Amino acid sequence: NAGVTQTPKFRILKIGQSMTLQCTQDMNHNYMYWYRQDPGMGLKLIYYSVGAGITDKGEVPNGYNVSRSTTEDFPLRLELAAPSQTSVYFCASSFRDRGLLMNTEAFFGQGTRLTVV
Amino acid sequence: QKEVEQDPGPLSVPEGAIVSLNCTYSNSAFQYFMWYRQYSRKGPELLMYTYSSGNKEDGRFTAQVDKSSKYISLFIRDSQPSDSATYLCAMSAPNAGKSTFGDGTTLTVKP
Repeated sequence: NAGVTQTPKFRILKIGQSMTLQCTQDMNHNYMYWYRQDPGMGLKLIYYSVGAGITDKGEVPNGYNVSRSTTEDFPLRLELAAPSQTSVYFCASSFRDRGLLMNTEAFFGQGTRLTVV
Repeated sequence: QKEVEQDPGPLSVPEGAIVSLNCTYSNSAFQYFMWYRQYSRKGPELLMYTYSSGNKEDGRFTAQVDKSSKYISLFIRDSQPSDSATYLCAMSAPNAGKSTFGDGTTLTVKP
């Protein structure tokens, strides 16, 4: 069972370039998330999705876009990369049971280290 | 003001020490409290989860929640070098679908 898989693991981008960070999960989780983590800081939510076709902004969405066409995949798109987007990006997923008021634990991928120069 | 404040650290202790990691929060809607452990260059993984005031124990780890004071703690007994990691508290409200994380406390346990 692979869990949450992120690609690539590392990437260096030039200012103004664009790229897509890939995230896929094989646990049939309905919720998926994208976080960024700056050095010495916690996790800041960029976007999240409650199911295929539904996405919503987190606390730091500017400069990013997402889509969720399938339950498994939740790619994050960076347009016009800026040095401020240098960070480690984590994708996560969790499951909401119909009878629960909250989600189960979030399972995280191993992260994508992005440097914008 | 952040919704979740975590003691910043870093924290360095000798092997065998008792460690206390703490978070405070301002949102009274938070009902579910989690501690994640993150090893260097890895993704966070859930360590403990609780939804009520009081203590929850799992081996050397104890999670404590005081909703009246909006204060949560994670205690590690007999700390080991393998406990060296960053610990993140996280909280969520019912039906929120997402958690709010603290900034993390980096712990180093020296042999």
